[in-house]
Amino acid sequence: DVKVTQSSRYLVKRTGEKVFLECVQDMDHENMFWYRQDPGLGLRLIYFSYDVKMKEKGDIPEGYSVSREKKERFSLILESASTNQTSMYLCASSYKRGVIAYEQYFGPGTRLTVT
Amino acid sequence: SQQGEEDPQALSIQEGENATMNCSYKTSINNLQWYRQNSGRGLVHLILIRSNEREKHSGRLRVTLDTSKKSSSLLITASRAADTASYFCATDKYGNKLVFGAGTILRVKS
Repeated sequence: DVKVTQSSRYLVKRTGEKVFLECVQDMDHENMFWYRQDPGLGLRLIYFSYDVKMKEKGDIPEGYSVSREKKERFSLILESASTNQTSMYLCASSYKRGVIAYEQYFGPGTRLTVT
Repeated sequence: SQQGEEDPQALSIQEGENATMNCSYKTSINNLQWYRQNSGRGLVHLILIRSNEREKHSGRLRVTLDTSKKSSSLLITASRAADTASYFCATDKYGNKLVFGAGTILRVKS
């Protein structure tokens, strides 16, 4: 079974702190994704990585950066956390086969509160 | 902008009834996927239907796709309390990436 794990289920941080969210997958997937989920807005893509050290901005990259030094690990970084970044953060991974999107496997999510 | 839009936003039914959720999208797709999310958890992939398919089944799930109307429906037959969850459709607007709708909240009362 594919397993995607996230470093924390719940996280509380203060405004201005640097925050690291870690995601690890064990299926040798090429693609990894970070989303944020807010009520009524569904999932919005923050960043996408299709290979080690490769990344693409998603729909809402402002205030975030990412790092992918190893294939299995994809980190989301909030450089200076703000209250409007309070949200549920979901990591996902998938195979890469050409340009067609395959099913994504999700982690359990990290509920981040910034006070 | 969101590619998939689900309808209704919320649905409440009795156990044993069927539940139907709809999804509309705006541009051409290679495939459309449905996911389920139990409260406060990650999403679980349910079914993928390709643009050249019209119907697909998986257990109690039936998905249809009408590319001429740019719409899809998810039918859950003989619903159970455990089916209570949010359901999302997702389309592959940007190649390997998916765009998700806002979801339908399904409540199955026992």
